[in-house]
Amino acid sequence: DAGVTQTPRHEVAEKGQTIILKCEPVSGHNDLFWYRQTKIQGLELLSYFRSKSLMEDGGAFKDRFKAEMLNSSFSTLKIQPTEPKDSAVYLCASSPRDYAEQFFGPGTRLTVL
Amino acid sequence: TQTVSQSDAHVTVFEGDSVELRCNYSYGGSIYLSWYIQHHGHGLQFLLKYYSGNPVVQGVNGFEAEFSKSDSSFHLRKASVHWSDSAVYFCAVSGTGGYKVVFGSGTRLLVSP
Repeated sequence: DAGVTQTPRHEVAEKGQTIILKCEPVSGHNDLFWYRQTKIQGLELLSYFRSKSLMEDGGAFKDRFKAEMLNSSFSTLKIQPTEPKDSAVYLCASSPRDYAEQFFGPGTRLTVL
Repeated sequence: TQTVSQSDAHVTVFEGDSVELRCNYSYGGSIYLSWYIQHHGHGLQFLLKYYSGNPVVQGVNGFEAEFSKSDSSFHLRKASVHWSDSAVYFCAVSGTGGYKVVFGSGTRLLVSP
């Protein structure tokens, strides 16, 4: 069974650009998460979907970050417009249910110049 | 609000040594605790979890963790480490609601040959 896949693995953007990160969760999982990982802030939850419905939109990340889940097997995270402070690793994870472990993808390393 | 603290940012041991990675949490209700490992350039990978029952839980690759309600702790241990255990280890806690996992800041374990 395939794990969580994320594309691209690396992305370089100019300040002000729009970028879209992609995630395919483990087949059959109901929950999907987007996290941002930086050395200073650690892991921060950006968005959470349950059965394709957006349950958490990340509070402080709302204005330029938008996650969507068009079907149960594909999600995108759009950052518009990008800023240098968005440089980080973006992790996607899925889980079969509450209180179950999360399965993480390899992440997308975003660099904004 | 649940919080999780990993007091050691870095731990260095020799191959074959035992190791304990510390995790303390703060939460008043029912709690779900877990540990994840992250190798360089990869996403997080689940190691083990505790929700109820036997306070000592076994995970993959010889790892175990012990829950202590009195100490508000969930420390991770391994009796004999291998160089491949070098990675960052994250303690995680979630409470009522299940999905929202709070991750600690991580402990980087370096195993010297």
